[in-house]
Amino acid sequence: DSGVTQTPKHLITATGQRVTLRCSPRSGDLSVYWYQQSLDQGLQFLIQYYNGEERAKGNILERFSAQQFPDLHSELNLSSLELGDSALYFCASSVMHSTDTQYFGPGTRLTVL
Amino acid sequence: EDKVVQSPLSLVVHEGDTVTLNCSYEVTNFRSLLWYKQEKKAPTFLFMLTSSGIEKKSGRLSSILDKKELSSILNITATQTGDSAIYLCAVGTVYNDMRFGAGTRLTVKP
Repeated sequence: DSGVTQTPKHLITATGQRVTLRCSPRSGDLSVYWYQQSLDQGLQFLIQYYNGEERAKGNILERFSAQQFPDLHSELNLSSLELGDSALYFCASSVMHSTDTQYFGPGTRLTVL
Repeated sequence: EDKVVQSPLSLVVHEGDTVTLNCSYEVTNFRSLLWYKQEKKAPTFLFMLTSSGIEKKSGRLSSILDKKELSSILNITATQTGDSAIYLCAVGTVYNDMRFGAGTRLTVKP
């Protein structure tokens, strides 16, 4: 158990819908990262927040957005969902803002029908 | 375009064998190279290598970073069935972006 929690574990929804994934980092970690893992694309970095501010952006679609709240938990919002958005979404946390050791949560499996 | 390439993509060995997994990268603004082990779900951290720490060892696992060749290897000695997993290599940049390789699927047979 890495200490990073993600909810929900599974999510099934329809195309065009909007969903919110939630992540709580390990106690003391200020940085949160979001990743998408699909069979054809592998693990892709989406976005990073550090102490409430966006720190780095990867391959995140404009339909996706994220934020980190004062209590350091983070949410990833996915809208206008498409079939291709079906994937495992991981959240990871680290102490600092640099790409040091990251601890991954168990992931949320999103299925878009 | 930045890329991280791992080889082989798949490997089958028997318990007790030694394996070497490779990772090569072409990433601008390199900061660190990380190895992860992914079994059923979330990746778990193994090593982080930087310019100031190019060799790491933990038990039967060890890793070396070759900054001149832009590559890294992960060695596992005396493999066990519990080592069966996907091993991911990731490169972090100074801008906190990360690029992952496709992974090497290791299967250790009894």
